[in-house]
Amino acid sequence: GQSLEQPSEVTAVEGAIVQINCTYQTSGFYGLSWYQQHDGGAPTFLSYNALDGLEETGRFSSFLSRSDSYGYLLLQELQMKDSASYFCAVGLTGGGNKLTFGTGTQLKVEL
Amino acid sequence: GAVVSQHPSWVICKSGTSVKIECRSLDFQATTMFWYRQFPKQSLMLMATSNEGSKATYEQGVEKDKFLINHASLTLSTLTVTSAHPEDSSFYICSARGLPLGAKNIQYFGAGTRLSVL
Repeated sequence: GQSLEQPSEVTAVEGAIVQINCTYQTSGFYGLSWYQQHDGGAPTFLSYNALDGLEETGRFSSFLSRSDSYGYLLLQELQMKDSASYFCAVGLTGGGNKLTFGTGTQLKVEL
Repeated sequence: GAVVSQHPSWVICKSGTSVKIECRSLDFQATTMFWYRQFPKQSLMLMATSNEGSKATYEQGVEKDKFLINHASLTLSTLTVTSAHPEDSSFYICSARGLPLGAKNIQYFGAGTRLSVL
């Protein structure tokens, strides 16, 4: 079956840089997305990689390597408000428009 | 950006009653919406794909008669949890794919509905 694995928790200090990894086993997908979700809130879109390489959007960057079945989200200049859960997600080929989400990583930013 | 409104945000009901959750796309038309279920500290699990004007497509293991989905217009999908039981207590979230439809499959999410069944 399809699976996207992420570390369950990551802790970092304010101002630091943190990388959240996503390793996957899928038969084929269009691209890798990242979503942020604060406790009790709605997931919000952060970044998308259709091709291998790095995509940069402000303090957030995302990377994809299809050959390694691996991607990551990089958060720079961490702020307290970045404490949230982060999910990678893929749109599977032949899966219509639906997304399959990773296991999720809870990021805790400390002073 | 696209806005998805979900209502109610929180509902408590007695076991055996039915609960309806609404999901509206406010500034765009969504021919397809999605319904997810999320338990605490866990990922989003897709329950079904809601298609405007046709039957919903349910994921494996999701009871169609338990979770009724209606997508009667291009801006509204509803999820009805029928004969709710305590094990149905969860966070239910809807989403819609944003426009324009392109290579990026960006989904916009409602704020979620926390259902507690007593």
